[in-house]
Parts: sequence; C-alpha cells; structure tokens
Amino acid sequence: DGGITQSPKYLFRKEGQNVTLSCEQNLNHDAMYWYRQDPGQGLRLIYYSQIVNDFQKGDIAEGYSVSREKKESFPLTVTSAQKNPTAFYLCASSMFASGNTEAFFGQGTRLTVV
Amino acid sequence: EDQVTQSPEALRLQEGESSSLNCSYTVSGLRGLFWYRQDPGKGPEFLFTLYSAGEEKEKERLKATLTKKESFLHITAPKPEDSATYLCAVQEYAGKSTFGDGTTLTVKP
Repeated sequence: DGGITQSPKYLFRKEGQNVTLSCEQNLNHDAMYWYRQDPGQGLRLIYYSQIVNDFQKGDIAEGYSVSREKKESFPLTVTSAQKNPTAFYLCASSMFASGNTEAFFGQGTRLTVV
Repeated sequence: EDQVTQSPEALRLQEGESSSLNCSYTVSGLRGLFWYRQDPGKGPEFLFTLYSAGEEKEKERLKATLTKKESFLHITAPKPEDSATYLCAVQEYAGKSTFGDGTTLTVKP
C-alpha cells in the first residue's frame, strides 16, 4: 500500500539532546512537508521541500533542520536550540511541487521532553 | 499575511441534527482551499479541495462550499462516527498552506 510512514510514533528527548524524526513516502510525490501541532491548535509549517536537495523554511523553522537527499525521504532533526519541542509532529507529501494538490499525511510522531 | 479562522471551536450535535462549520480566510490570491478530517492522535485525512468561488463538493453526509471570503462544511444528518476535528487550509502559493485551528465536532447518539 502506498503512503507515508513516520517513525517512531512516540519519542522522548532529554534536555540538550538532538533527535531525528523519520518520514518516508512511497507515493512518488515531489513535495514533502513537516508540520508541528500543539494541543487545540492547527498545523504550523516547519520546513518544506519541492525537489530533492532543496528545501525552504516555513513559519517556525528555528531550532529545526531537515535534509532531502532522496525523493522518498525527508527527516526532521529537532535540535537543542528548540526550546519548547514537546508537540505532535506531522509529515506530509503532495503530488506536484508547483500544483495546488492535496496533502497526504503520516500518522505523526509525538515528541516529549523529559 | 494569510489568515484562516475556523468557527466554532467546538460543536456538539445530536445524531441527525444538521449544522455547518465555517472557515474564513484572507489571502491575496487563493490557489486552493482544503478540508481535512483529523481523528485524535492521527494525521489529517483529506476530504475536499475547492478552487474558485461558487464551487461545491459532496461526499456522503458532507458538503463543502466556497465564496470569496469563506468556506462552509455542511454536515447533514450526522452520525457518531462523524465525530472528529475538521481542519481548513488555504494555499496562496506553491508549497505553503496555512491551516486554521480546527473545529472539534462531537455527535451524540
């Protein structure tokens, strides 16, 4: 089945640690996205990529980093510079980078700082 | 700056009681407006895309409509399984969608 796989489902981070969230898609989509969702709020864009080896900052990129070395993979690193990382992280992809097509989402990673 | 406002924040309905959810937006040039359904602890699931004022889309008990300033998601004779958070998103240019905070719908049997 085609889709987006995020792992792990739950992640715990100690203060000062960097952690990496995985996102893989087998939909052959050009564009991929990372969003953050806090309780009772909508999705806020962290980073997005329209093509391999290229990505752009979203609205809340500070304290995060990404890479897009392969079309199917878009990992997100939450660095120690992100002061409030506890949140639900969602990865998504869409078919065309330049088109207004819907996004397909993974099942999310819940990150908690301990 | 793009703004997307959804209302109400929460809506409680009895099974069979029809209602509407609202999504108001301000963008300089709309490329598309999207409706998603999100169940607790899950990723959003795509429902509809609307591209121009006057457009309507339907799926089972749901109907989405679009004007130049807002979109409505009409729910006809809802069932308990329609309980979820409904998210609206607007896309002004490629790669960047702005989401509203959602409306949490609860349908009681």
